[in-house]
Amino acid sequence: QKEVEQNSGPLSVPEGAIASLNCTYSDRGSQSFFWYRQYSGKSPELIMFIYSNGDKEDGRFTAQLNKASQYVSLLIRDSQPSDSATYLCAENQGGKLIFGQGTELSVKP
Amino acid sequence: GAVVSQHPSWVICKSGTSVKIECRSLDFQATTMFWYRQFPKQSLMLMATSNEGSKATYEQGVEKDKFLINHASLTLSTLTVTSAHPEDSSFYICSASQAGVGNEQFFGPGTRLTVL
Repeated sequence: QKEVEQNSGPLSVPEGAIASLNCTYSDRGSQSFFWYRQYSGKSPELIMFIYSNGDKEDGRFTAQLNKASQYVSLLIRDSQPSDSATYLCAENQGGKLIFGQGTELSVKP
Repeated sequence: GAVVSQHPSWVICKSGTSVKIECRSLDFQATTMFWYRQFPKQSLMLMATSNEGSKATYEQGVEKDKFLINHASLTLSTLTVTSAHPEDSSFYICSASQAGVGNEQFFGPGTRLTVL
């Protein structure tokens, strides 16, 4: 099974800053990727998905996919304390989601 | 839309007993349901994939005789942990997807299982 790698963090940013979360994957054939947010004790919530190379923006969130370099990232602009959570990157492998270990983000007021 | 529920939200049981967890898609028909397990401070690990009316496909290392999955209808899948032991204590999460809808999975709220 191919892997998805994330830095476990914690990543700490001040309120209002840009948080940058990164994910690399080993399966060159992967077509789609998902970013989820998970609060402690809760199940994951979908933030956004991306299929094509380049950037995809949704509000304060921007996902970036670079298939040549096999990485996908998530930028969170104007970070808020409520964004403090674990962010999970997932790769679609034949309809199954393979998750990275998650990056813990802490936004300090 | 796309709401998935799980029941119970938490359960405590004695070692050796069996526990059933239900996963329901409330407002859509789920052609495929997935079961995940998450230990503290770890990521979600896929246990099995089930399609309505057929046997579940288990991931490597997951004992199918211990984790029984039934997907009897397009809105309900169940996971039964048989002869549970303390090492089975975990957060069990199901998700559901619709055919041809970009492979997006909708997650249930999870079930916290504690085996004493």
